[in-house]
Amino acid sequence: RKEVEQDPGPFNVPEGATVAFNCTYSNSASQSFFWYRQDCRKEPKLLMSVYSSGNEDGRFTAQLNRASQYISLLIRDSKLSDSATYLCVVIRAGGFKTIFGAGTRLFVKA
Amino acid sequence: DVKVTQSSRYLVKRTGEKVFLECVQDMDHENMFWYRQDPGLGLRLIYFSYDVKMKEKGDIPEGYSVSREKKERFSLILESASTNQTSMYLCASSSTGTAGEAFFGQGTRLTVV
Repeated sequence: RKEVEQDPGPFNVPEGATVAFNCTYSNSASQSFFWYRQDCRKEPKLLMSVYSSGNEDGRFTAQLNRASQYISLLIRDSKLSDSATYLCVVIRAGGFKTIFGAGTRLFVKA
Repeated sequence: DVKVTQSSRYLVKRTGEKVFLECVQDMDHENMFWYRQDPGLGLRLIYFSYDVKMKEKGDIPEGYSVSREKKERFSLILESASTNQTSMYLCASSSTGTAGEAFFGQGTRLTVV
């Protein structure tokens, strides 16, 4: 079983839709969680951190459920420019080892 | 801006060759990483380093080694390249204080023929 698992998608949604991605992790000692975005043929870039209390950044909301060992990303009012692959990232306890999920592809259509 | 620079965008090597991939970062980051990215498998961690001359195996270290002689430079070595090492290789760096914010290089597309 992979340490970090994501639904690969693709998710095809119209502009203005709300879409949610989940990511599960298997190591209960994981301590930090993030969402990254990767555009086609580009390197991944940090989208947002995920805090225990949940956090919001504009149209994006990230949540963490430690009991069930998953994190989620909600995108409201989808834009064409949101089309990308979204990568779930977990850092193991101890600080440095950064593990990426395989990513979920999102296509937003006009 | 943080810059992580990989020495080549594209490389073609022959089976059995020794291959060096170089990565340099300019932000004095303690941590550096090498990943490979393959369709459907995402980014898989090969090796990482949290200090000069320190290295730790990631999830798929077989067939690879690394070198970190200076803080800003992290090299990935394919001892004897094989066709199953054809992939996109991504280098990243992060600060220990903000370990989740990793900055990536533009990637090296390696083809082993």
